Amino acid sequence: QLVLTQSPSASASLGASVKLTCTLSSGHSGYTIAWHKQQPQKGPRYLMNVKSDGSHDKGDGVPDRFSGSSSGAERYLTISSLQSEDEADYYCQTWGTDIQVFGGGTKLTVL
Amino acid sequence: EVQLVESGGGLVQPGRSLRLSCAASGFTFDDHAMHWVRQAPGKGLEWVSGISGNSNNIGYADSLKGRFTISRDNAKNSLYLQMNSLRSEDTALYYCAKGAYTFYDTSGFDYWGQGTLVTVSS
Repeated sequence: QLVLTQSPSASASLGASVKLTCTLSSGHSGYTIAWHKQQPQKGPRYLMNVKSDGSHDKGDGVPDRFSGSSSGAERYLTISSLQSEDEADYYCQTWGTDIQVFGGGTKLTVL
Repeated sequence: EVQLVESGGGLVQPGRSLRLSCAASGFTFDDHAMHWVRQAPGKGLEWVSGISGNSNNIGYADSLKGRFTISRDNAKNSLYLQMNSLRSEDTALYYCAKGAYTFYDTSGFDYWGQGTLVTVSS
């Protein structure tokens, strides 16, 4: 079964960096995932795709502070030089035959 | 500029029906799969349904099969979701999302709408 696991919460200080993790279920370590950001009371925004080789393709207008990487079944979203507007929920997403799957989301707090 | 604008949400009694619409612009509509995703109050994102660019391939979340029907009109650049036999647990913000490619299960989403709220209550 295709499942994505995310930590419910994360926090980091203004100006620091943070690395969010999305873990693919067993047998699915080769899958590409997408990262989406959702600020309070707003619709989600696509950030990037992250492939198993660590390469990533960012969406329109996504700042350079956002980057993606991979290791095994884990896919990462790193945000550097944290700003107040980075405080949001971050969801990973993947897809397979006849299905789309979201992780439970990570709530990022900027201290 | 890609724009996705949902409409059709509202308050509906349990057991009744509702039809959501999504008006798309800023891209070649029939080249892309389209999706509905919902978010219950205080909860995460849940994929509802997807449809390929030519409507030949359609998928639904297992929990929804039989009650919801997705469709599209490429001449009108519009996506629809017919929701029947609504239940209180269907209460959510419903988002329209654009697939990156033509088939609904071969890529993720690269644009989202702002959502339309569906409240199922007596």
